Amino acid sequence: DTEVTQTPKHLVMGMTNKKSLKCEQHMGHRAMYWYKQKAKKPPELMFVYSYEKLSINESVPSRFSPECPNSSLLNLHLHALQPEDSALYLCASSHPNGPEYNSPLHFGNGTRLTVT
Amino acid sequence: SQQGEEDPQALSIQEGENATMNCSYKTSINNLQWYRQNSGRGLVHLILIRSNEREKHSGRLRVTLDTSKKSSSLLITASRAADTASYFCATDPMLTQGGSEKLVFGKGTKLTVNP
Repeated sequence: DTEVTQTPKHLVMGMTNKKSLKCEQHMGHRAMYWYKQKAKKPPELMFVYSYEKLSINESVPSRFSPECPNSSLLNLHLHALQPEDSALYLCASSHPNGPEYNSPLHFGNGTRLTVT
Repeated sequence: SQQGEEDPQALSIQEGENATMNCSYKTSINNLQWYRQNSGRGLVHLILIRSNEREKHSGRLRVTLDTSKKSSSLLITASRAADTASYFCATDPMLTQGGSEKLVFGKGTKLTVNP
């Protein structure tokens, strides 16, 4: 079992809905990530938070809105999504970047999102 | 854009055999990591090898890194049915300040170990 917890495990939403994905970790990691993974493809980086500040946004459409309320929580707010946004959304955490760390990522089991 | 490219894309072996997966990448790196993903689950970190290391072992796993060829290999010895999963290499490009904030995943190798 993973130490990064994601809820919900499955989500079906219409294109006009607003929903949120949640992620929680208690490993003291100060970097948290959102990845999107389509079937049979590798994960694609969406956002990175370092010390609760957004440090990387990989040109993600504004219908995805990340939020990091504290060092243990990461949310992804969804609004007006398209069917092509259906995917597995993975949260991960690690020690923040820095040559002294070379820290691997710890992943949650993801939220399987279907947009109808 | 993807940094790593694994080959083969799919590999099917019998239990007890060894499995070798290869990864090639394009830019200089801080480190290279291997992850496993069981179907419908998150990724699990297996092993990290730094750019100044050439070989690393962890249990039945052996990873090599050749920075001159920009390639790495993952060897799983005495494979088990439970090793059935997708395996991804991931590179930490030296363009960043270090650490894994911009980790870039390869396309993955789907390994099937038949009992």
